[in-house]
Amino acid sequence: SAVISQKPSRDICQRGTSLTIQCQVDSQVTMMFWYRQQPGQSLTLIATANQGSEATYESGFVIDKFPISRPNLTFSTLTVSNMSPEDSSIYLCSVEARVNTEAFFGQGTRLTVV
Amino acid sequence: GENVEQHPSTLSVQEGDSAVIKCTYSDSASNYFPWYKQELGKRPQLIIDIRSNVGEKKDQRIAVTLNKTAKHFSLHITETQPEDSAVYFCAASIRTTGRRALTFGSGTRLQVQP
Repeated sequence: SAVISQKPSRDICQRGTSLTIQCQVDSQVTMMFWYRQQPGQSLTLIATANQGSEATYESGFVIDKFPISRPNLTFSTLTVSNMSPEDSSIYLCSVEARVNTEAFFGQGTRLTVV
Repeated sequence: GENVEQHPSTLSVQEGDSAVIKCTYSDSASNYFPWYKQELGKRPQLIIDIRSNVGEKKDQRIAVTLNKTAKHFSLHITETQPEDSAVYFCAASIRTTGRRALTFGSGTRLQVQP
């Protein structure tokens, strides 16, 4: 199984600022994803992080608000830009180590925007 | 895109009883159906998964059944224990080509009463 380190684990941010969340995996993985989980809700896919190219965003999520980088096969970042209280949520990194294998999750970043 | 519906939203059982959670999916191309358990404040953890070429899979007290024709799958937990109390999410994806990211159901909060 892949070991995922996600940082920070939590943060309280002022509205209008940006926060970058890091996801580091202990081995090369084929797929990396970013999900959002609002309090008491299910997980919603934000985007698929593509190595060396632009991320693929889901409907309702845009690059200007959630820029994503994936410079290599073990690391990705998600930035939440120009934050508002509605961005308060848990953000989760997920990886699929190899084709057709299970998906693992990072421990999540609990973001509170005040 | 894929839509996954999950029922019930909450489920309370007595210790030792069985629990059943049901999900339906909309995209007939989906071929991978995992179940995740999420304890309070923790990351989702895979407990069992099933692929579309299999109708049933069992792992100790946990089993999953899949009906491709009706496009629904279910999680069965037998001999429930207090430590089974958590939120359970079903999900669906296409694991060969196409959309590889998981689409999650809305979650079921299971409470096992001692």
